[in-house]
Amino acid sequence: QKEVEQNSGPLSVPEGAIASLNCTYSDRGSQSFFWYRQYSGKSPELIMSIYSNGDKEDGRFTAQLNKASQYVSLLIRDSQPSDSATYLCAVLDDKIIFGKGTRLHILP
Amino acid sequence: GAVVSQHPSRVICKSGTSVKIECRSLDFQATTMFWYRQFPKQSLMLMATSNEGSKATYEQGVEKDKFLINHASLTLSTLTVTSAHPEDSSFYICSARDFGSNQPQHFGDGTRLSIL
Repeated sequence: QKEVEQNSGPLSVPEGAIASLNCTYSDRGSQSFFWYRQYSGKSPELIMSIYSNGDKEDGRFTAQLNKASQYVSLLIRDSQPSDSATYLCAVLDDKIIFGKGTRLHILP
Repeated sequence: GAVVSQHPSRVICKSGTSVKIECRSLDFQATTMFWYRQFPKQSLMLMATSNEGSKATYEQGVEKDKFLINHASLTLSTLTVTSAHPEDSSFYICSARDFGSNQPQHFGDGTRLSIL
């Protein structure tokens, strides 16, 4: 059974600080990785894709991938209250497998 | 970017009614679409995977006669909740993937179904 694991949280981070969200996956052969953000009562929204080892930056977001450690992370710099949401890690094999999500709460 | 349109956004109806939800990929062709259900404060639950022109594949525990899925074209999949009851009240979300082996899934805005 292929799995994607995330800490459910809640993760509380002061406004302006860096939020760090982590994810591990079980299938060493996985090649494509995604982060989604889901606000309460809304559907998930794709915010980052990463396919190669290392860092990928997009605005305040940085995705990090370490295939040897089977580890994906998402950093959010200068955290804002509007970043408060559930963040879903997703790994693509023959289909996309979602983690259960980490609830992030940015403290004003 | 890839856009998935889902309608209706909200349905309130009486017990025993059948409800149809549409999911369209607007600017790409989706050979595969996915239907999820999400209860409050719980994680996404995949209900079924629908492939254009073939029967849907249902996840364990999901009644295929209760949740009818049709994927008639590369841009449209429908989910019909037949004879809905209050326990079927939930947030139903469709998702689609573009061609390409490494493409992400894009989600519709979801349908909030309330059965009285």
